[in-house]
Amino acid sequence: GENVEQHPSTLSVQEGDSAVIKCTYSDSASNYFPWYKQELGKRPQLIIDIRSNVGEKKDQRIAVTLNKTAKHFSLHITETQPEDSAVYFCAASDNYGQNFVFGPGTRLSVLP
Amino acid sequence: NAGVTQTPKFRILKIGQSMTLQCAQDMNHNYMYWYRQDPGMGLKLIYYSVGAGITDKGEVPNGYNVSRSTTEDFPLRLELAAPSQTSVYFCASSWDNSYEQYFGPGTRLTVT
Repeated sequence: GENVEQHPSTLSVQEGDSAVIKCTYSDSASNYFPWYKQELGKRPQLIIDIRSNVGEKKDQRIAVTLNKTAKHFSLHITETQPEDSAVYFCAASDNYGQNFVFGPGTRLSVLP
Repeated sequence: NAGVTQTPKFRILKIGQSMTLQCAQDMNHNYMYWYRQDPGMGLKLIYYSVGAGITDKGEVPNGYNVSRSTTEDFPLRLELAAPSQTSVYFCASSWDNSYEQYFGPGTRLTVT
């Protein structure tokens, strides 16, 4: 089955700096790669996703890149703000309903 | 739309007791999922369903059962509760495996 690794497990950045979180996956059949943000005590919420036919996607300060050959994808947050502090989860899935696997999460702290 | 709803919000069980965690969605989603999230950890898939009458095991199904008699409802049954089942349980739904999962607010379960 699919295995998703995520690094780093914790990340501290100064407000205004950029943050990068990287994930690798094992199943070459995976074709959908979402990123979820979970604030303390809250439910996970989708912040951005990318499909295998696209190499990069941006939404304001957030971007995701995908390298299918290397089986890795990354989340980039620019101009970080204190409200970006949360746990971020990557995930990978295919179309067949059996593989929707989350990474272990990255705790991002944005220091004022 | 209410989205994904879960009841109860909190519950304390004694070892050996049983209970059912309720989950409902009003978005007419085919796919529904149950996850558990232990403190400071990621999301582990317990069971999922691709439509009414169809369920399948995820990564950590032992000690749990599910049913999906309607599109809207996906209850999770705990039989013979054990301290290892102390966790936060999230229900989620999506159109299919390659689209955003919408999470419910979670049920915090403590087994003592």
